[in-house]
Amino acid sequence: DQQVKQNSPSLSVQEGRISILNCDYTNSMFDYFLWYKKYPAEGPTFLISISSIKDKNEDGRFTVFLNKSAKHLSLHIVPSQPGDSAVYFCAARTMNRDDKIIFGKGTRLHILP
Amino acid sequence: DAGVIQSPRHEVTEMGQEVTLRCKPISGHNSLFWYRQTMMRGLELLIYFNNNVPIDDSGMPEDRFSAKMPNASFSTLKIQPSEPRDSAVYFCASSGLAGEKGQFFGPGTRLTVL
Repeated sequence: DQQVKQNSPSLSVQEGRISILNCDYTNSMFDYFLWYKKYPAEGPTFLISISSIKDKNEDGRFTVFLNKSAKHLSLHIVPSQPGDSAVYFCAARTMNRDDKIIFGKGTRLHILP
Repeated sequence: DAGVIQSPRHEVTEMGQEVTLRCKPISGHNSLFWYRQTMMRGLELLIYFNNNVPIDDSGMPEDRFSAKMPNASFSTLKIQPSEPRDSAVYFCASSGLAGEKGQFFGPGTRLTVL
């Protein structure tokens, strides 16, 4: 029973264009959402997050959008760069604030030259 | 700042052998998590500790898996006996009090059970 779903296993985007990674969730108790980035042979690293009281959070080239009614969030990367090629995990945390995070299966992003 | 330290980085063993994975969390963090990553299931939470106490072990696949945290700076994940289907990358992560940046991950241990 996947509470956090990333339905696209992979995505290819031309360098300089916008990359859009999507994530859906089922648990309405989630109050905080995070995106992690993972390179091969390394652990995931935190990228950007958003609280459920907001609908947008921006950090440089990265913007996360949250649509609570649709239980959907997306990560936008613009412009995409070669170093953005990685696996991106969407994750969510519940309101009990015990730091437990539920991860999606990840989307592999390829930035094409 | 050394980050989360895991050892070994790679482990190859034969079916039936005992495997012990080790983790040193970031100093000052009070929560520690063990994850398993596979192609089929993505990142699965196996168990997590808060202040050295196991809080949720519902993700531990079966009795062959056990985890301990004897003190705030060390944790182990043990598989006994190991099976080929245990082959995966195992990550340890730690976090502080409701940190907005979530959890900090170690580099992982790639386990291969032959």
